[in-house]
Amino acid sequence: EAQVTQNPRYLITVTGKKLTVTCSQNMNHEYMSWYRQDPGLGLRQIYYSMNVEVTDKGDVPEGYKVSRKEKRNFPLILESPSPNQTSLYFCASSPKTSPIFQETQYFGPGTRLLVL
Amino acid sequence: GQNIDQPTEMTATEGAIVQINCTYQTSGFNGLFWYQQHAGEAPTFLSYNVLDGLEEKGRFSSFLSRSKGYSYLLLKELQMKDSASYLCAVRPELTGGGNKLTFGTGTQLKVEL
Repeated sequence: EAQVTQNPRYLITVTGKKLTVTCSQNMNHEYMSWYRQDPGLGLRQIYYSMNVEVTDKGDVPEGYKVSRKEKRNFPLILESPSPNQTSLYFCASSPKTSPIFQETQYFGPGTRLLVL
Repeated sequence: GQNIDQPTEMTATEGAIVQINCTYQTSGFNGLFWYQQHAGEAPTFLSYNVLDGLEEKGRFSSFLSRSKGYSYLLLKELQMKDSASYLCAVRPELTGGGNKLTFGTGTQLKVEL
């Protein structure tokens, strides 16, 4: 089954304790992305990657790191989490796009993070 | 900058028709997407418009006017399961083959009996 998986699905942690949220896709997609979703603010892009070893900042990258060593995996790293990073996080993937085709993004199930 | 506006909430009756509007002001335009998101779940793709006009897909239709920076999602024969948040997203540009989307804050639709 074609899918994007994230782990963990739920996480409670404390300020300053490094954590990693994993994301994996089995569709051989080039493009992967991380979003956070907060009430009243919608989905905001954190980082994205256009291919292996190619990553770039989205709209809200502060406090986050990513890596793309393999095509299928795109982990999100919080080196020193703070309470303002409490949010619902989504990973998404899509194939290379063109202006002709409606290549949509496929979202993972989400990771709900609480930083105390 | 990018700006996408949608109403925050709407309420409609089961069996009726509802139209959810989206206006956008973005640095470029290479397509507009509508997603449905049930509470606590991932967004799922509904429709895509890149040219002006109406795209119909079963009970759902989406319209685009690029000159007006305007789109709407039309839901017909509403069902209780259509109660969800509807997200409008614009792809401002094709960044080196990427698929960067800018999302609106979503419209929470409540379907009542």
